[in-house]
Amino acid sequence: EDQVTQSPEALRLQEGESSSLNCSYTVSGLRGLFWYRQDPGKGPEFLFTLYSAGEEKEKERLKATLTKKESFLHITAPKPEDSATYLCAVPTTGNQFYFGTGTSLTVIP
Amino acid sequence: NAGVTQTPKFRILKIGQSMTLQCTQDMNHNYMYWYRQDPGMGLKLIYYSVGAGITDKGEVPNGYNVSRSTTEDFPLRLELAAPSQTSVYFCASSYQDRGFSFFGPGTRLTVL
Repeated sequence: EDQVTQSPEALRLQEGESSSLNCSYTVSGLRGLFWYRQDPGKGPEFLFTLYSAGEEKEKERLKATLTKKESFLHITAPKPEDSATYLCAVPTTGNQFYFGTGTSLTVIP
Repeated sequence: NAGVTQTPKFRILKIGQSMTLQCTQDMNHNYMYWYRQDPGMGLKLIYYSVGAGITDKGEVPNGYNVSRSTTEDFPLRLELAAPSQTSVYFCASSYQDRGFSFFGPGTRLTVL
C-alpha cells in the first residue's frame, strides 16, 4: 500500500538554527515527490518536485533531496517567515496524490 | 491570473442541509481536484477530473458529488450534510498528469 510519513510532526527552531524535515515513502514505482508549503488559513503552495534518487533542488534557504526511500527538506539559517507547515506528496494510482500529514515549523526570532 | 478561486470562504450548515462549493480556475488546466483537510490527517482526495465531462472518485468520495461541464469550473456538491463533513475543503488544478497543483484558498465548512 502506498504510504507517506512525515517527521517530526512539529519543529521549533531558533532563527539561524539549521535543521531537516523528513518524508519517507513506500510507493511502487516513484513518479515524483512533491514538497508544498502551507501557511495558516491558506492553501498549499508548491515548492519542489524531485524525480530520481540523488536529485537536489534549492530555493532560497530550502534544499530538497531524494533517496530511494525518503526525501529531506533542509532549512539553512531559517528566518521567522519560514514558519509554516511543510507537506510532501507522491502520485499514486491514476491521477491521484497521497499527502503526508505535514511538519509544522516554527522559527523563533 | 486569479489562479484557483473558491467560494464561499466559510459556511455553517445544519445536519441534513445541502450545499455546493464552487471552484474556478483561469489557467486552462485539464486536471482538477477536491481535497478535504482535517487536523492531523493530511489532505484526502475526494474527487478529481482529468477534463470536462470526466470525473472520478478519490479516497473519500462518500457523501459528495461533482460535475465538470467546463474546463474552468469544478463544483463539489454535499448532499445531506453530516457532522463528519466538517472540514476545510481545497480545490486544486494542474496543467499535466501527475504535475504539481495550484491550490485555492479553501472553504471552511462546519456542520452542526
